[in-house]
Amino acid sequence: AQSVTQLDSQVPVFEEAPVELRCNYSSSVSVYLFWYVQYPNQGLQLLLKYLSGSTLVKGINGFEAEFNKSQTSFHLRKPSVHISDTAEYFCAVSSMDSNYQLIWGAGTKLIIKP
Amino acid sequence: KAGVTQTPRYLIKTRGQQVTLSCSPISGHRSVSWYQQTPGQGLQFLFEYFSETQRNKGNFPGRFSGRQFSNSRSEMNVSTLELGDSALYLCASSFSAGPEETQYFGPGTRLLVL
Repeated sequence: AQSVTQLDSQVPVFEEAPVELRCNYSSSVSVYLFWYVQYPNQGLQLLLKYLSGSTLVKGINGFEAEFNKSQTSFHLRKPSVHISDTAEYFCAVSSMDSNYQLIWGAGTKLIIKP
Repeated sequence: KAGVTQTPRYLIKTRGQQVTLSCSPISGHRSVSWYQQTPGQGLQFLFEYFSETQRNKGNFPGRFSGRQFSNSRSEMNVSTLELGDSALYLCASSFSAGPEETQYFGPGTRLLVL
């Protein structure tokens, strides 16, 4: 069965430092990959998505992610975080295996230290 | 454009009762998906509706049901509530039902079952 693993439940980082949130997936077929952000007491908002083409995907708020097929990973990065980036980040995958429904990771809480 | 709206935002029910949650998608969107979010299980797909037809269903018991109206508004019903149904229920809409489509999430309805 398809699954998504977000290796870190929490990532503390100092303001203006770079950050990487890790996401690995398991699937035997072609996938679509997504990163969503959830701010406190809000719904989810799409940060970026990979459908095909260039493996480096740029999203909103200065985030980017790289699709690595051999590593089955889709790690999210930002070169310099701000206090406003404090939120929970979810990786999700969609493929024929899941009948194209989103399978979600458990989420990573990004904690920005001043 | 107005975003996805969900009503009510908060709800308290007792075991054995039933509840109906409502979701109004973004104008022009015809696909509506429902998700359950809990600290223990994370985000789980409930079902998806497109043009008043259920296209996909997640692995939830029959107590969970939904429907979509001709104006694309959707309702979700949970009968015979159990304590474990306490969760944030998120609705998401998209223009069409393709896997590459971006889903836009509402703020959710937080259900507490006592």
